[in-house]
Amino acid sequence: DQQVKQNSPSLSVQEGRISILNCDYTNSMFDYFLWYKKYPAEGPTFLISISSIKDKNEDGRFTVFLNKSAKHLSLHIVPSQPGDSAVYFCAASNSGGGADGLTFGKGTHLIIQP
Amino acid sequence: SAVISQKPSRDICQRGTSLTIQCQVDSQVTMMFWYRQQPGQSLTLIATANQGSEATYESGFVIDKFPISRPNLTFSTLTVSNMSPEDSSIYLCSVSGLAGVNEQFFGPGTRLTVL
Repeated sequence: DQQVKQNSPSLSVQEGRISILNCDYTNSMFDYFLWYKKYPAEGPTFLISISSIKDKNEDGRFTVFLNKSAKHLSLHIVPSQPGDSAVYFCAASNSGGGADGLTFGKGTHLIIQP
Repeated sequence: SAVISQKPSRDICQRGTSLTIQCQVDSQVTMMFWYRQQPGQSLTLIATANQGSEATYESGFVIDKFPISRPNLTFSTLTVSNMSPEDSSIYLCSVSGLAGVNEQFFGPGTRLTVL
């Protein structure tokens, strides 16, 4: 039973446009959500996180939106750049993100087209 | 952020053998975790490495197969024992508790191929 779902295995976006990556979760106990970016042959790199008490968090070009009632979050990247091409993982925790392990989605491969 | 290193970065092993993977952080951290990423799959938590005590394993993972040590606040090892081709994965350590930050940060991973 997959508790964190990323239903789009891949997404292609033109450079300069907005990239929107989606994530759904089923476990109501999750209270902290994170996005990671992964290049081949490297470990995941932390991008941005959001606590369940918020509905939006911004960091530069990256914004994460959380809709608790829908158990849905999304990552917006604007403007998209060629270096953003990578696999993006959504992850969730029920302990604030640091004390327990994370539950990951399967990832979305983002391809930025020039 | 801290520098997290893993050794080896990759290895090819014969079935029935064991491999120990090391994770080193350049500063003290509260928590250390071990994950694996099987081909085409997401990251799955294997266990939490507890300093000075036995690791806490997730459902489906057992100590006999994946013994873990954490002798101090900067170092941990994961052993993959009696390997089979199904153990071919990327193994990653992560840490949290850096400078009071909640988020987990990952090492570069160890790519293991079992023949």
